[in-house]
Amino acid sequence: NAGVTQTPKFRVLKTGQSMTLLCAQDMNHEYMYWYRQDPGMGLRLIHYSVGEGTTAKGEVPDGYNVSRLKKQNFLLGLESAAPSQTSVYFCASSYGRGQGSVEQYFGPGTRLTVT
Amino acid sequence: EDQVTQSPEALRLQEGESSSLNCSYTVSGLRGLFWYRQDPGKGPEFLFTLYSAGEEKEKERLKATLTKKESFLHITAPKPEDSATYLCAVRDYGGATNKLIFGTGTLLAVQP
Repeated sequence: NAGVTQTPKFRVLKTGQSMTLLCAQDMNHEYMYWYRQDPGMGLRLIHYSVGEGTTAKGEVPDGYNVSRLKKQNFLLGLESAAPSQTSVYFCASSYGRGQGSVEQYFGPGTRLTVT
Repeated sequence: EDQVTQSPEALRLQEGESSSLNCSYTVSGLRGLFWYRQDPGKGPEFLFTLYSAGEEKEKERLKATLTKKESFLHITAPKPEDSATYLCAVRDYGGATNKLIFGTGTLLAVQP
C-alpha cells in the first residue's frame, strides 16, 4: 500500500514554462486535494475534487488548473509558471461524505522553484 | 471567517520536559479538529481527530484535548524523535467536501 504518491519530487522551471504535477492514491478515496505550503503561511488549498470528473476551486486557485480523469489520479497544471508559484506542493486524499473517517492523507510533496 | 491560530510558533524542550502546544480556532460549526505531524522535507502525517468538547485522544507520548475554542497537544516526557512541526486543522460545518483550514504550525525541537 503506497498511500499517496507524487511525481516529480523536485522541479526547476523558468518563468513562462508549463508543467504538470501528478498525484496518485491507492486507498480508493473519493476526495482529493492540492495544497501549497509557503513559509509562515501554512497549507493553503489550491483545488480539490469530490469525485472522478469533478473539480472545484480552493483558496488560491489562480494560475493553476486541475483534472481528475481517473479516481486514483489528480493532476495539477501550471500553464505559465511565475516566480510567485515557487513553493512546496502537497497532494492529499480522503474518504467522501459518509464513506468513512474524514482525515486527509498527504503525499511526500513536490518542491518547485520558478526562476 | 474561519481561522486557526497555533502557539507558540517554536518551542525548544529538553528531553523529558513535558509541555503543551495550543491551537485556537474560530469556525461557524466545528466538524472535526485534526492534528498532524510534519518532519522536514516530508508531507504531514495524520495523528488525531477530535470532534466534541471534552474529547481526548492519546498516542504514545502525545495526548490531544479539545474545548469549544481550542485544542491542546500535550507532550509528556518528550524524546528527540518527537522533534517536528505540529499542525492543527479544522473542518467546518459549511460543506461536505472535508476541506480543512490549517494553522501555521508549531516547530518543536527536543534536545537530548
